[in-house]
Amino acid sequence: GENVEQHPSTLSVQEGDSAVIKCTYSDSASNYFPWYKQELGKRPQLIIDIRSNVGEKKDQRIAVTLNKTAKHFSLHITETQPEDSAVYFCAASKDGDYKLSFGAGTTVTVRA
Amino acid sequence: GAGVSQSPRYKVAKRGQDVALRCDPISGHVSLFWYQQALGQGPEFLTYFQNEAQLDKSGLPSDRFFAERPEGSVSTLKIQRTQQEDSAVYLCASSRSARYEQYFGPGTRLTVT
Repeated sequence: GENVEQHPSTLSVQEGDSAVIKCTYSDSASNYFPWYKQELGKRPQLIIDIRSNVGEKKDQRIAVTLNKTAKHFSLHITETQPEDSAVYFCAASKDGDYKLSFGAGTTVTVRA
Repeated sequence: GAGVSQSPRYKVAKRGQDVALRCDPISGHVSLFWYQQALGQGPEFLTYFQNEAQLDKSGLPSDRFFAERPEGSVSTLKIQRTQQEDSAVYLCASSRSARYEQYFGPGTRLTVT
């Protein structure tokens, strides 16, 4: 089955700096890559996603890039704010097998 | 509109007891997924429904776990003879159809003592 690896496991950044989280996947058939943000004790919330027919997608301060050849994708958060502090999960799925395979998560702390 | 809801939010069970966890998906969402999230880990897939049909149950860890969605809306995850290793947060997610974004409920935190 699909194996998604996520790095780093923890990330501390100064407010205003950028944060980058990287994920790799094993199944070349995977074609959908969402990112979820989970605050302590809360539900995972979808923040951005990308499909394999595009290489980059941006939404305000958040962007995701995808390299299908290398089988990796990354989340970029610019101008970080304290409310960006949370655990971020990457995930992957493919047509015909829609379950999400998640990475282990990255705990992001934004220092004021 | 209303999001995915789950009940109860917290459940404490003695080892050996049976539990039932409920998921109310977003109205009109065809696809429904159950995931298990251990402390400090990412969610792991348990099972998937399209309407009332359970199309994939490959993630259910043992035959003590059973899920149903008899009318294609509300779903129940049942765990029989609970064990300590069943302690986790059980998340439900729904989507318009399988290829679309999955929206998660708040989860049920199960603690088996």
